[in-house]
Amino acid sequence: DGGITQSPKYLFRKEGQNVTLSCEQNLNHDAMYWYRQDPGQGLRLIYYSQIVNDFQKGDIAEGYSVSREKKESFPLTVTSAQKNPTAFYLCASSMHILGLGGVSGANVLTFGAGSRLTVL
Amino acid sequence: SQELEQSPQSLIVQEGKNLTINCTSSKTLYGLYWYKQKYGEGLIFLMMLQKGGEEKSHEKITAKLDEKKQQSSLHITASQPSHAGIYLCGADIESGNQFYFGTGTSLTVIP
Repeated sequence: DGGITQSPKYLFRKEGQNVTLSCEQNLNHDAMYWYRQDPGQGLRLIYYSQIVNDFQKGDIAEGYSVSREKKESFPLTVTSAQKNPTAFYLCASSMHILGLGGVSGANVLTFGAGSRLTVL
Repeated sequence: SQELEQSPQSLIVQEGKNLTINCTSSKTLYGLYWYKQKYGEGLIFLMMLQKGGEEKSHEKITAKLDEKKQQSSLHITASQPSHAGIYLCGADIESGNQFYFGTGTSLTVIP
């Protein structure tokens, strides 16, 4: 079955360490996204990518980095520069990039199950 | 400031009761999406609304987009414990250059 796989589900990190969250999709979607979810704040966009080897900063990119070397994969690295990294991280994909005004089923997001990062 | 305001922030209802969640923007919504999230999991797509006045239903959940395309409501009839979770709206706003999510509504259904 097609879908998005995030790993690990739970991750603990010491302060000062970088960690990488994995996101893999087999939906043949062009666009991929990383969101951060904190209680009472909804989803905030970290980074997104429309095509391979291209990605753009979202609203809260500071302290994070991504790569898009393959269409299927969009890993997120939480660096030591991220001041408050403890959160629930969600990866998503869509057939085409969101926000271009073209409303269609192609804009529906498919989400992974999430990764919960805790900094000790 | 929040581009999409959801209300209420949380809701606790007795099983069998009806409930409504609202999603409001001061700007025109060019495509409104409703998602449901079970606690600690990813989001599941529920419905998409595009035209002013549009209404869609799936099982006991009905979503509407007002004529001005600035407000959407999600109505659940005869709620069940399986309806519990966080409901989020998402939308392309105005020029469609960016997609936003609402803050979410946490729903608890008491058996």
